[in-house]
Amino acid sequence: AQRVTQPEKLLSVFKGAPVELKCNYSYSGSPELFWYVQYSRQRLQLLLRHISRESIKGFTADLNKGETSFHLKKPFAQEEDSAMYYCALSGSTSGSRLTFGEGTQLTVNP
Amino acid sequence: DAGVTQSPTHLIKTRGQHVTLRCSPISGHKSVSWYQQVLGQGPQFIFQYYEKEERGRGNFPDRFSARQFPNYSSELNVNALLLGDSALYLCASSLASGSGYEQYFGPGTRLTVT
Repeated sequence: AQRVTQPEKLLSVFKGAPVELKCNYSYSGSPELFWYVQYSRQRLQLLLRHISRESIKGFTADLNKGETSFHLKKPFAQEEDSAMYYCALSGSTSGSRLTFGEGTQLTVNP
Repeated sequence: DAGVTQSPTHLIKTRGQHVTLRCSPISGHKSVSWYQQVLGQGPQFIFQYYEKEERGRGNFPDRFSARQFPNYSSELNVNALLLGDSALYLCASSLASGSGYEQYFGPGTRLTVT
């Protein structure tokens, strides 16, 4: 079975502070990990995926297979980063099926 | 391209009724997936269709069914509605089946069952 856990439902930081959104997963094979973001009144969209190793909008995430984690980090948070963030997993044999965590609502205060 | 479109935007049904939700993928996308998002939770996978064939099914009762048409649009049907079916139903399309293909989500259909 595949499972994604985001331990924090709410996270609040001040502008310019570092931010880390936690994600842990369980999967017996080789997973693909994603971060999706939903800004207010917008649709869910892909932020980044571990396989691309890109930095999007200043965010990075490293897959740690030993700790089964895929935490999302940004060194200096901006107010426009305020959004709902979902960590998601896709298994190598599960086609396009995504398993999502429950999400973390990030608020960046001025 | 308007992206993935879904209809209706929202609807209200009574317990025991049937509902049909519709999804039009991005032009050129051949795979459509459906997700249910209950308030306060992450999206939960229901179905995936690719080239008009079911490629995956989540842990949902047989009251839920779906199909994909030759133009790659899709319908999600739910029979004998229960109060617990109240949720946001999301459709996502991708070029093909497989985790390597980015999924693009629609705005969702908000279903309320009374």
